[in-house]
Amino acid sequence: DTEVTQTPKHLVMGMTNKKSLKCEQHMGHRAMYWYKQKAKKPPELMFVYSYEKLSINESVPSRFSPECPNSSLLNLHLHALQPEDSALYLCASSQKAGTGPNQPQHFGDGTRLSIL
Amino acid sequence: RKEVEQDPGPFNVPEGATVAFNCTYSNSASQSFFWYRQDCRKEPKLLMSVYSSGNEDGRFTAQLNRASQYISLLIRDSKLSDSATYLCVVPTDKLIFGTGTRLQVFP
Repeated sequence: DTEVTQTPKHLVMGMTNKKSLKCEQHMGHRAMYWYKQKAKKPPELMFVYSYEKLSINESVPSRFSPECPNSSLLNLHLHALQPEDSALYLCASSQKAGTGPNQPQHFGDGTRLSIL
Repeated sequence: RKEVEQDPGPFNVPEGATVAFNCTYSNSASQSFFWYRQDCRKEPKLLMSVYSSGNEDGRFTAQLNRASQYISLLIRDSKLSDSATYLCVVPTDKLIFGTGTRLQVFP
């Protein structure tokens, strides 16, 4: 069982819809991440939150809007998405952001998003 | 040179075989490295962390060669359940993922 939980597991939406993806962790981690993963490709980083503040935005289109209400929760608000945005969206957390020892990321099982 | 490079495979091996994957990285300042395993349509799961010259956990051994800037993963006595994609991950200011190496173990 993963310690990072994501909801929903599957989401189908039209290009005009507004929806949100949710992620929760209770490991006391202070860094949380959103990734996008297409089939047969590695995860691509989208956003990093460190101590509830956005620290990295990998030039993600504004139709994706992250939000970190508190240290345990991370949301990704979706609006006016395109068919090419269909992918697996993964949330991850780590003790803190950075490259020191013991900084592996723990992934949720993802939301599989399909845009019609 | 790419930041992290892996042979995409697939590596098709029989049960019981020993198989090794290599991963090269370009950032000589990287101190720690990770191997993740990802099953089809599932999330990546941390398999091993490598901080010094190597790490061993049961049938799995990870080795680090800083001079040549590569990390290897050795799997002994392969099981059918080892079939997955193995991702080499190098932390910089964020995690840099290799493209992954696909392993298929057959009976």
